[in-house]
Amino acid sequence: NAGVTQTPKFQVLKTGQSMTLQCAQDMNHEYMSWYRQDPGMGLRLIHYSVGAGITDQGEVPNGYNVSRSTTEDFPLRLLSAAPSQTSVYFCASRGQRNTEAFFGQGTRLTVV
Amino acid sequence: SQKIEQNSEALNIQEGKTATLTCNYTNYSPAYLQWYRQDPGRGPVFLLLIRENEKEKRKERLKVTFDTTLKQSLFHITASQPADSATYLCALDVTGGFKTIFGAGTRLFVKA
Repeated sequence: NAGVTQTPKFQVLKTGQSMTLQCAQDMNHEYMSWYRQDPGMGLRLIHYSVGAGITDQGEVPNGYNVSRSTTEDFPLRLLSAAPSQTSVYFCASRGQRNTEAFFGQGTRLTVV
Repeated sequence: SQKIEQNSEALNIQEGKTATLTCNYTNYSPAYLQWYRQDPGRGPVFLLLIRENEKEKRKERLKVTFDTTLKQSLFHITASQPADSATYLCALDVTGGFKTIFGAGTRLFVKA
């Protein structure tokens, strides 16, 4: 049982490039979320999904797109990378509302 | 908007003592509050969830209290050990429990 798997673990992008951060979970969880973590600011919610085909914005959605075509996968797309998007990105899933969240190991992204 | 405040200063304690971490929140009355542990370079790991009507919850050496009048949760680690050294995050479920927001975390150092 792998839990939540994120790829890649590390990525360096040039300003203006686009890329997709992958997140997959094998627990059949309905709820999935993307967070970014910056020093001193904790985890900030980017986008979340309450099931396949349903997504919504979190606290800091600008510059990011998501889609949820399957229960297992929740990719995060950076449309045109900016240095301000340098961060560590975490994907999380949960089976029900108000229950524990399971996190992936994170993707460390640097935009130069 | 909802806001969570945790002590940004690191907490340094001696092995064997009780560590107490504080989480304050504003502009919301959550039904649930969670605590997570995060080690450097890793994703957060769930520790405890407490409901608004529970006031106190225990798990082994961990104890969480939840005061909805003060809008505060306290997280205690008794008989602390160097292995307890980590960052501890407080989290609230908002929007009917569909999404979770996190505090910035408090770094705990337990000295042998």
